[in-house]
Amino acid sequence: DQQVKQNSPSLSVQEGRISILNCDYTNSMFDYFLWYKKYPAEGPTFLISISSIKDKNEDGRFTVFLNKSAKHLSLHIVPSQPGDSAVYFCAAPSTSGTYKYIFGTGTRLKVLA
Amino acid sequence: ETGVTQSPTHLIKTRGQQVTLRCSSQSGHNTVSWYQQALGQGPQFIFQYYREEENGRGNFPPRFSGLQFPNYSSELNVNALELDDSALYLCASSPGLEQETQYFGPGTRLLVL
Repeated sequence: DQQVKQNSPSLSVQEGRISILNCDYTNSMFDYFLWYKKYPAEGPTFLISISSIKDKNEDGRFTVFLNKSAKHLSLHIVPSQPGDSAVYFCAAPSTSGTYKYIFGTGTRLKVLA
Repeated sequence: ETGVTQSPTHLIKTRGQQVTLRCSSQSGHNTVSWYQQALGQGPQFIFQYYREEENGRGNFPPRFSGLQFPNYSSELNVNALELDDSALYLCASSPGLEQETQYFGPGTRLLVL
């Protein structure tokens, strides 16, 4: 089945600078890739998605890039704000045929004021 | 419009016991998915219910079972609890099968001693 890796467990960035969160997956699928944000004591909330037919999707300060040949996703946040401090999960479609996504282990982003 | 709610928020059980976790889906949503998030990991798909029928299951043993009721609320039951079942259990509801549109509840934190 699909494997999703977020190799950076944590990231600290100065307010106003760019945050770049990375995600690698193993199996290519014609579907959506998702990013979620999670604050403590809350469930994950959907942040942004990208269709596998695109290589970039932008929503305000958040941009997701998809490099299909490298099987790599990245989320850019610019400018970073203290309220962006959270755990970010990427999710890639499962290859097992059911309606489900495989989540990475998350990256904890801390934006320093 | 109320969001996804889960009860209880925290629970402590001992090995071998049984537990029932509850989830109320967002108004208008007929699909509920359950996830297990172990410490330091991403959410792992357990199963999904669509209009009271199980629709997809992850790699979890049969002692993990569920129900969905006519009002689309849902229960997750775990029998013969093991220490490794200690985790945050997340429920997510969506207006259809597409998990891209799912909304997560805050989760139930289960500790098995």
